[in-house]
Amino acid sequence: SQQGEEDPQALSIQEGENATMNCSYKTSINNLQWYRQNSGRGLVHLILIRSNEREKHSGRLRVTLDTSKKSSSLLITASRAADTASYFCATDEGSNYKLTFGKGTLLTVNP
Amino acid sequence: DAGVTQSPTHLIKTRGQHVTLRCSPISGHKSVSWYQQVLGQGPQFIFQYYEKEERGRGNFPDRFSARQFPNYSSELNVNALLLGDSALYLCASSLVRSMNTEAFFGQGTRLTVV
Repeated sequence: SQQGEEDPQALSIQEGENATMNCSYKTSINNLQWYRQNSGRGLVHLILIRSNEREKHSGRLRVTLDTSKKSSSLLITASRAADTASYFCATDEGSNYKLTFGKGTLLTVNP
Repeated sequence: DAGVTQSPTHLIKTRGQHVTLRCSPISGHKSVSWYQQVLGQGPQFIFQYYEKEERGRGNFPDRFSARQFPNYSSELNVNALLLGDSALYLCASSLVRSMNTEAFFGQGTRLTVV
């Protein structure tokens, strides 16, 4: 079963605009991670935020986590055509051996 | 340093056949996990191996099996293939067993069952 649900399922923006994706999950977590996947190939780790953190930044990425609402958001600022990809959130569900992924958000950045 | 490597990259098999997928983790990584990603969905956990022992198994039938070798590389085996087994199979390696660290994914093996 899939724990996280990303919203929206698809997002199309112009280069230079900001993109915001949301993720909701159902159970307690130790951490939440965001991954990017280009054209159905391997996943690339973007950022990990622990359950006791509320916000984290990495370059043009900003992630927030609200454990009371069981939700997270990923903001990509000043988007580029190269940001076009699917973005997935993944949680550990308190497990120490697996990640549970959502269905992803397909982001298209138009030049 | 090489990343996670998977072979083959693409594979076409017939229903009922058996398939073996291979994964080499990043040097020094002792944990290898396998995920199945069906088109349009997120990856689903199949197995985790750490220090050559199975540490976790997802909700997959017994047709799916795996093992980890002394050099920490891993194989995923699927018997009696079904059309529904068509998917991208992803291998991920990490330094430690826990999920409190990033996982590094290979480029995947695209399996098509006809």
